Amino acid sequence: GNSVTQMEGPVTLSEEAFLTINCTYTATGYPSLFWYVQYPGEGLQLLLKATKADDKGSNKGFEATYRKETTSFHLEKGSVQVSDSAVYFCALSSAYGDSWGKLQFGAGTQVVVTP
Amino acid sequence: DTEVTQTPKHLVMGMTNKKSLKCEQHMGHRAMYWYKQKAKKPPELMFVYSYEKLSINESVPSRFSPECPNSSLLNLHLHALQPEDSALYLCASSQAGGVGNEQFFGPGTRLTVL
Repeated sequence: GNSVTQMEGPVTLSEEAFLTINCTYTATGYPSLFWYVQYPGEGLQLLLKATKADDKGSNKGFEATYRKETTSFHLEKGSVQVSDSAVYFCALSSAYGDSWGKLQFGAGTQVVVTP
Repeated sequence: DTEVTQTPKHLVMGMTNKKSLKCEQHMGHRAMYWYKQKAKKPPELMFVYSYEKLSINESVPSRFSPECPNSSLLNLHLHALQPEDSALYLCASSQAGGVGNEQFFGPGTRLTVL
């Protein structure tokens, strides 16, 4: 079946540091890939997405590139702010079998940014 | 309007109570979802409605009963819940029929079962 593996947190870093959160996946065919962010006490917000190989999703200074050869979709931001403190979920959506259209989430990575 | 709204924001109920959670969207989306999220875990899919018909039930206990009265509304009826059902309940919506369609989430209802 489909699966998403994310690096475990918490990831603690200082303001203006570079952030990378690793995400790899296992899926049949060509899934769509997403990064969602969940701020404390809130629901999930879509951060960015990519629907085919080599696509780069970007939003609010975050970027991720769909790498089919390494089955990865790593999230990066060049200079984090305290307001980026949140839990980040990598997710995929597949067109195959009983996984059709469902979002398969990774475990989530908590990011803590200190001033 | 790109918002999914959920009411109530917080709910405390006893194991013998009957309550309902409500979700609303006005984005013209024809797929709506209920998720359950425990602390420090990813959301778990419970139900999917597509064009107002239940298309996926992830083997959810019958004490949870979903309802989709129209294309904008989604309810989750709760009855005889257990303390382990305490969680954040998230509603989401998306355009139907596409693998690449992102889901838009509401802020959730924080449910506590005593």
